[in-house]
Amino acid sequence: DQQVKQNSPSLSVQEGRISILNCDYTNSMFDYFLWYKKYPAEGPTFLISISSIKDKNEDGRFTVFLNKSAKHLSLHIVPSQPGDSAVYFCAALRGNNRLAFGKGNQVVVIP
Amino acid sequence: DTAVSQTPKYLVTQMGNDKSIKCEQNLGHDTMYWYKQDSKKFLKIMFSYNNKELIINETVPNRFSPKSPDKAHLNLHINSLELGDSAVYFCASSPRDTYNSPLHFGNGTRLTVT
Repeated sequence: DQQVKQNSPSLSVQEGRISILNCDYTNSMFDYFLWYKKYPAEGPTFLISISSIKDKNEDGRFTVFLNKSAKHLSLHIVPSQPGDSAVYFCAALRGNNRLAFGKGNQVVVIP
Repeated sequence: DTAVSQTPKYLVTQMGNDKSIKCEQNLGHDTMYWYKQDSKKFLKIMFSYNNKELIINETVPNRFSPKSPDKAHLNLHINSLELGDSAVYFCASSPRDTYNSPLHFGNGTRLTVT
């Protein structure tokens, strides 16, 4: 029973354009959401997060939007750079330490 | 300086064997985890320890036994390995309050059971 879903497993985007990654969740008890980035043969690294009391959080080129009523969040990367080519995991937290992950989206940024 | 290090990076073994994966963190975190990434790429939590105490055990077969000798180490021992155990296993750590500080992951151990 996957509570965090990432469809469209791969995305190709031209350098300089916007990358948009989507994530849906089913459990309304989730109250904190995170995005992790993963390069091959490495562990996931934290990218950006958002609390359920907010609808937007921005950090440099990365912005996360949260739509609680739709149980949907998205990650925007603008402008996309070749170093952004990686797998991006959406994750959701309910209660401390219980992080549920989606299956990831592969992003390829074309120079 | 690797913050969360796990060994070995690759592990190939036969069905029925017993193997261990070691994990160490030098971040001073109170909580450590084992996650499994299966062939479908989902990352699923297996165990969580806080200060050597087991706090999460997510319906994992009892062939898997985590051991935390101190709060900087969390090892994973697997008995009687099965083909379905083939996966990438990630160790992670965090301060007790994961809302204010996200998980730090190791680089994973790719386990292949033949």
